[in-house]
Amino acid sequence: NAGVMQNPRHLVRRRGQEARLRCSPMKGHSHVYWYRQLPEEGLKFMVYLQKENIIDESGMPKERFSAEFPKEGPSILRIQQVVRGDSAAYFCASSPPQSAGELFFGEGSRLTVL
Amino acid sequence: QKEVEQDPGPLSVPEGAIVSLNCTYSNSAFQYFMWYRQYSRKGPELLMYTYSSGNKEDGRFTAQVDKSSKYISLFIRDSQPSDSATYLCAMRGSSNTGKLIFGQGTTLQVKP
Repeated sequence: NAGVMQNPRHLVRRRGQEARLRCSPMKGHSHVYWYRQLPEEGLKFMVYLQKENIIDESGMPKERFSAEFPKEGPSILRIQQVVRGDSAAYFCASSPPQSAGELFFGEGSRLTVL
Repeated sequence: QKEVEQDPGPLSVPEGAIVSLNCTYSNSAFQYFMWYRQYSRKGPELLMYTYSSGNKEDGRFTAQVDKSSKYISLFIRDSQPSDSATYLCAMRGSSNTGKLIFGQGTTLQVKP
């Protein structure tokens, strides 16, 4: 009865490198969401995906950030050319179809940019 | 002004106390209201989920929504040390896009 699985749990990158964060939704869930939590701040919505489709990316920074949820495999949040301000906890959540928005969160991936 | 305001605390209470956590919001389109609990270095866990105004009770937890005042509350009865965590309120409108607006979170410590 696995929940939302995220990896890696911790990731350290130097400025200018790329970060890839992975998320496998709960079994039976077809909707995936990415949120970011900066120190001393609440969670901020980034993107909502269904299989092979980006539904809402209104919270994604315009540059360097991208997300995908392929037909096979986990959802990936990709951050290119990381900067120190990207240091945060990135949480993935999933929900079943027609769930009325009940999101189940993973444990998060903590990115540190040196 | 933030869409959702939540006092970050910290809030410290003795074991057995009744805890009141609150959020205010400015967007009258919000219709679904949630409370999440987040332990340190962990992911948020859904505690309560309510629609529109009214009360909802689940064990020691009671959620209240007052849409006329744009004010929501979470009450914890007989608080336990294991309740020590950060409590996040979240809300959204009628469109089911999973785009929740979160409060900053209130850190609660229950002392034995």
